Amino acid sequence: TQLLEQSPQFLSIQEGENLTVYCNSSSVFSSLQWYRQEPGEGPVLLVTVVTGGEVKKLKRLTFQFGDARKDSSLHITAAQPGDTGLYLCGKGGSNYKLTFGKGTLLTVNP
Amino acid sequence: NAGVTQTPKFQVLKTGQSMTLQCAQDMNHNSMYWYRQDPGMGLRLIYYSASEGTTDKGEVPNGYNVSRLNKREFSLRLESAAPSQTSVYFCASCSGTVSQPQHFGDGTRLSIL
Repeated sequence: TQLLEQSPQFLSIQEGENLTVYCNSSSVFSSLQWYRQEPGEGPVLLVTVVTGGEVKKLKRLTFQFGDARKDSSLHITAAQPGDTGLYLCGKGGSNYKLTFGKGTLLTVNP
Repeated sequence: NAGVTQTPKFQVLKTGQSMTLQCAQDMNHNSMYWYRQDPGMGLRLIYYSASEGTTDKGEVPNGYNVSRLNKREFSLRLESAAPSQTSVYFCASCSGTVSQPQHFGDGTRLSIL
């Protein structure tokens, strides 16, 4: 059972465009992590959010955690080809386990 | 600064063969995890070890066994490989404190014919 829904599943855009991807659940998150995975590599952490309503910025990436802690979004401004990859959200659980969504595969075309 | 090292990187097996995937971390992390990643399915947890000497089942444990050999090493064994186990396998570790990231290896690409 997938506890996290990520949308869209695929996204292909041109360099310079803005985009938002989403991560939603029917249950409350204690914490949420966003990872980016490039082809042939393991996922790498981008950010952790723990507080409802929290907003974090990482250069052109803005992460938001919903007030009810059931959803999160990742907004990329002026996307670049280097942003291409699979974006995964992971919900924190017991024993520091993560339950991941299926991911959003982003392609940024030059 | 190796982080999490997985071996081998690629492997092809025949149905029914056995194999052990190796994982080692040099960050003194308490917790270690094994995931499989299939197209369109994200990462699914197979087994995890919250601390040295303990292991527990994750979401998809059937057909697998694990051993937490010591604090550094956590291996995954396929006793009798099946085509459904064709996947990319990732090992991860974390310090075992709230909000700390999981650090992933680069994966083992396993094909079972």
